[in-house]
Amino acid sequence: GQNIDQPTEMTATEGAIVQINCTYQTSGFNGLFWYQQHAGEAPTFLSYNVLDGLEEKGRFSSFLSRSKGYSYLLLKELQMKDSASYLCAVMDSNYQLIWGAGTKLIIKP
Amino acid sequence: DTAVSQTPKYLVTQMGNDKSIKCEQNLGHDTMYWYKQDSKKFLKIMFSYNNKELIINETVPNRFSPKSPDKAHLNLHINSLELGDSAVYFCASSPGGVSDEQFFGPGTRLTVL
Repeated sequence: GQNIDQPTEMTATEGAIVQINCTYQTSGFNGLFWYQQHAGEAPTFLSYNVLDGLEEKGRFSSFLSRSKGYSYLLLKELQMKDSASYLCAVMDSNYQLIWGAGTKLIIKP
Repeated sequence: DTAVSQTPKYLVTQMGNDKSIKCEQNLGHDTMYWYKQDSKKFLKIMFSYNNKELIINETVPNRFSPKSPDKAHLNLHINSLELGDSAVYFCASSPGGVSDEQFFGPGTRLTVL
């Protein structure tokens, strides 16, 4: 079966750095997405990785290792507005997005 | 200017009723989707649809049916609503390429009593 694993919840301090991990087992791989979802709102796109390595976009970076079935989202200089759920999703061989349950990130002052 | 819009935002109804949720995108995208997000926050794809093909998640009951009057609209019709249908339903769209991000609507919170 297809599976996406992420920690359920993480807590970090404002101004710090946090890494949210995602491991996946899917039938085929056509890229990995990270989305941010604030409570009661729709998911919004953060990043897309299809090649191994680190993609940096401002305070957010996303890393992929296809051989390990592993990705992480790195958030730097945390702000209170970063409190949200972060969803990892993998596009499988049928070009369908398989979603993880998301990691709820709590930022404390 | 709302890119992906859904109506209604909240829907409360009785078991056994039939209801529809409307979705419109003004982005000119080729592909539209319906997702169900349950209380455990899993996003489950229900349908994806473009001009050429409707892809149905086999786990979706046939009480659910997508209807697309044109490229910019993909409505979700649900027959004989059940308690387990209570969830947030998101519509989304994308240009259609593999690496394209999906743009989500605001969601419709459906409560079946």
